[in-house]
Amino acid sequence: ETGVTQTPRHLVMGMTNKKSLKCEQHLGHNAMYWYKQSAKKPLELMFVYNFKEQTENNSVPSRFSPECPNSSHLFLHLHTLQPEDSALYLCASSQSQGWQYFGPGTRLTVT
Amino acid sequence: AQSVAQPEDQVNVAEGNPLTVKCTYSVSGNPYLFWYVQYPNRGLQFLLKYITGDNLVKGSYGFEAEFNKSQTSFHLKKPSALVSDSALYFCAVRDLSRGSTLGRLYFGRGTQLTVWP
Repeated sequence: ETGVTQTPRHLVMGMTNKKSLKCEQHLGHNAMYWYKQSAKKPLELMFVYNFKEQTENNSVPSRFSPECPNSSHLFLHLHTLQPEDSALYLCASSQSQGWQYFGPGTRLTVT
Repeated sequence: AQSVAQPEDQVNVAEGNPLTVKCTYSVSGNPYLFWYVQYPNRGLQFLLKYITGDNLVKGSYGFEAEFNKSQTSFHLKKPSALVSDSALYFCAVRDLSRGSTLGRLYFGRGTQLTVWP
């Protein structure tokens, strides 16, 4: 967990707000990921980036917009979210097909 | 299609007793298999992995897992459970067949382990 940091750790936002989640990895990895973890549901992969290029988007609604300016940083821009988007958002990184290191997550509540 | 099944939502065991958390998988090629643990309000932490070689894999905190190809299983085990082992455990598989997406892990739904003192 210490190699991948996420900010903020907690976020409460209204449905009309715009906010961003930030992830930073200090491990020199080339791949980064966003996951959504909701109660009573399996972990959902949202986006995958490899060397700053998006390689996977798993039918995520456009109100979630990822950005990867370099291999160490990953953002998730949020706008006009719905209450059902409340969840723990996890960032992870890996070196190619190695195991993934996860950050502590951002607990998002949409009111 | 790739998938992972953790048949038990909850496992309860007394401290000092052996524990097993079950996982079965389905992949079209050779699997990479992983176990992760998640403590409350934390991200997932890597425990151990199987790629090739010895079917018994040893990992962090005294955990081990046994790969069984014929039963397509990768059960997590520990000889003597601790109260501090109480957490949510996830099994995951990565398909190594040609054309598989870089970094795509398929996770099970998770098993909540509770160890009673």
